[in-house]
Amino acid sequence: DGGITQSPKYLFRKEGQNVTLSCEQNLNHDAMYWYRQDPGQGLRLIYYSQIVNDFQKGDIAEGYSVSREKKESFPLTVTSAQKNPTAFYLCASRDTKTGEKLFFGSGTQLSVL
Amino acid sequence: RKEVEQDPGPFNVPEGATVAFNCTYSNSASQSFFWYRQDCRKEPKLLMSVYSSGNEDGRFTAQLNRASQYISLLIRDSKLSDSATYLCVVNIIFGGGSYIPTFGRGTSLIVHP
Repeated sequence: DGGITQSPKYLFRKEGQNVTLSCEQNLNHDAMYWYRQDPGQGLRLIYYSQIVNDFQKGDIAEGYSVSREKKESFPLTVTSAQKNPTAFYLCASRDTKTGEKLFFGSGTQLSVL
Repeated sequence: RKEVEQDPGPFNVPEGATVAFNCTYSNSASQSFFWYRQDCRKEPKLLMSVYSSGNEDGRFTAQLNRASQYISLLIRDSKLSDSATYLCVVNIIFGGGSYIPTFGRGTSLIVHP
């Protein structure tokens, strides 16, 4: 079955540590997005990529980095510069040619030890 | 001012009630509009797209008012299983004709027996 997979489901970060959240899709979608969700809040855009080898900052990119070396993969690194990383992280993809619907992964809950 | 605004609620209603949510958007270049449903700590799932002509899917009716820049969602005959957060999503145009899905903070609905 086609879909979008995020891992791990839960992740713990120590002070000063970088951690990477995985996002893989086999839907052949061009566009991929990373969102952050804090309790009681909507989704805020961290980074997005419309095509392989290209990505753009969203509204809250500081303290995060991404890469898009392959169409199916869009990993997010939470760096030590992100001072308040505890949140629910959601990855999504979209077929830019045929549709506007977002397909979401099941999310990663990141917490600070 | 946020690009997409929603009343966070919670809306606390008895089973069988009719409830309506509104969402306003500030960018007149917004292209398309959606309602997503999100259960606690799960990924959002598309509930329905929203068109100017209005559209209905069973107990759910969505409406777009471009002149006033708001969209609405009406739920009739509420069920306990409708309890969730409802996210308003607006695709906002940016350079090159692409667009970014932008989320409201969500409206919490609690349906009680």
